[in-house]
Amino acid sequence: NAGVTQTPKFRVLKTGQSMTLLCAQDMNHEYMYWYRQDPGMGLRLIHYSVGEGTTAKGEVPDGYNVSRLKKQNFLLGLESAAPSQTSVYFCASRGTGAHEQYFGPGTRLTVT
Amino acid sequence: AQSVTQLDSQVPVFEEAPVELRCNYSSSVSVYLFWYVQYPNQGLQLLLKYLSGSTLVKGINGFEAEFNKSQTSFHLRKPSVHISDTAEYFCAVSDPNFGNEKLTFGTGTRLTIIP
Repeated sequence: NAGVTQTPKFRVLKTGQSMTLLCAQDMNHEYMYWYRQDPGMGLRLIHYSVGEGTTAKGEVPDGYNVSRLKKQNFLLGLESAAPSQTSVYFCASRGTGAHEQYFGPGTRLTVT
Repeated sequence: AQSVTQLDSQVPVFEEAPVELRCNYSSSVSVYLFWYVQYPNQGLQLLLKYLSGSTLVKGINGFEAEFNKSQTSFHLRKPSVHISDTAEYFCAVSDPNFGNEKLTFGTGTRLTIIP
């Protein structure tokens, strides 16, 4: 039981490049979330999903897109990376009726 | 809209001393409250949560927190800290009446234990 895993762990992009972050969970959770963590700002919600095939915007969605084609996977895409997107990205999941979110280990992204 | 304030960005404490990390929230409705811990280079792990019932909540690693509705606070305490408690601690709130229970996080408190 791996819980929540994230791929890759580290990535360096040049401005304008694109990439996709993958989040996978093996707990059969309905809800999945993408956050970004920046110094002094805590975690901010980018997008979330309440089930397979659904997505919704969070607090800071601009510049990101997401997809939830399979229940266990939640993808975060950056179409044209900007230096302001340098951050640590965390994925989380939560089961229906539960209140705790389970977090992945994070992806450290640097955009130069 | 909900918000969470963690007034102390850094708290240094001597080993075996007590510690209190402060958290205040603003919400016009009833809330669920959480404390998460983040060890260096790791994801977040739940320490404890308040959903309803007893206002004193006990969590893992000897931590506890007290929900105070009148002061809209949820301070985290430990009577005697250990070096292994060095980490960043995040307070979070969610609205149980909002179906997907999105979490709103505070900005975090970095706890440093001094040997």
